[in-house]
Amino acid sequence: KAGVTQTPRYLIKTRGQQVTLSCSPISGHRSVSWYQQTPGQGLQFLFEYFSETQRNKGNFPGRFSGRQFSNSRSEMNVSTLELGDSALYLCASSLRVQGDTEAFFGQGTRLTVV
Amino acid sequence: AQSVAQPEDQVNVAEGNPLTVKCTYSVSGNPYLFWYVQYPNRGLQFLLKYITGDNLVKGSYGFEAEFNKSQTSFHLKKPSALVSDSALYFCAVRDPMFSGGYNKLIFGAGTRLAVHP
Repeated sequence: KAGVTQTPRYLIKTRGQQVTLSCSPISGHRSVSWYQQTPGQGLQFLFEYFSETQRNKGNFPGRFSGRQFSNSRSEMNVSTLELGDSALYLCASSLRVQGDTEAFFGQGTRLTVV
Repeated sequence: AQSVAQPEDQVNVAEGNPLTVKCTYSVSGNPYLFWYVQYPNRGLQFLLKYITGDNLVKGSYGFEAEFNKSQTSFHLKKPSALVSDSALYFCAVRDPMFSGGYNKLIFGAGTRLAVHP
């Protein structure tokens, strides 16, 4: 069974640009969550989607947005990039929305903003 | 507020010795607790979880963790460490009482485990 797939693995963008990251969950998983990992702030929750609906959003500015498609694939978008957006962005999928199921993570997208 | 604390930035242990990585949590209700491991330039790999029941849970690669409700702790343990266990370990919690979203994980800051030959 294929794991969570994130594309691209690496990105270099310039300040002010926008970027779209993609995540394909494990087959059959309908819940997708996104996290930002930085050395200073650690792992922080961005948002969660289930059945194409955003269920929860972390404490990030409106420049960070996401969506989920009918096949459960998800994208996140960051507009007007800032240097501080440089991070590893991790996507996780879960089988159910009940919190007792473990999340499976992709390898992440390393975003560098210059 | 929900939170997770991993009091040690780094744990050093000799190969073959037992290891413990500490984690304490704060939630309003009964927690769901998880341990993940991260190798360089990789995502997080699930090790084990505590949902309910037996306080000692066993997971992947010989790891286990003990849930202690009175001490609000969920320490990760392994009887005999391997050099290949060297990685970054994260403890995480979900609070079932949190109504905003069921799958949001709150992570600790991480503990770097270094196993020396």
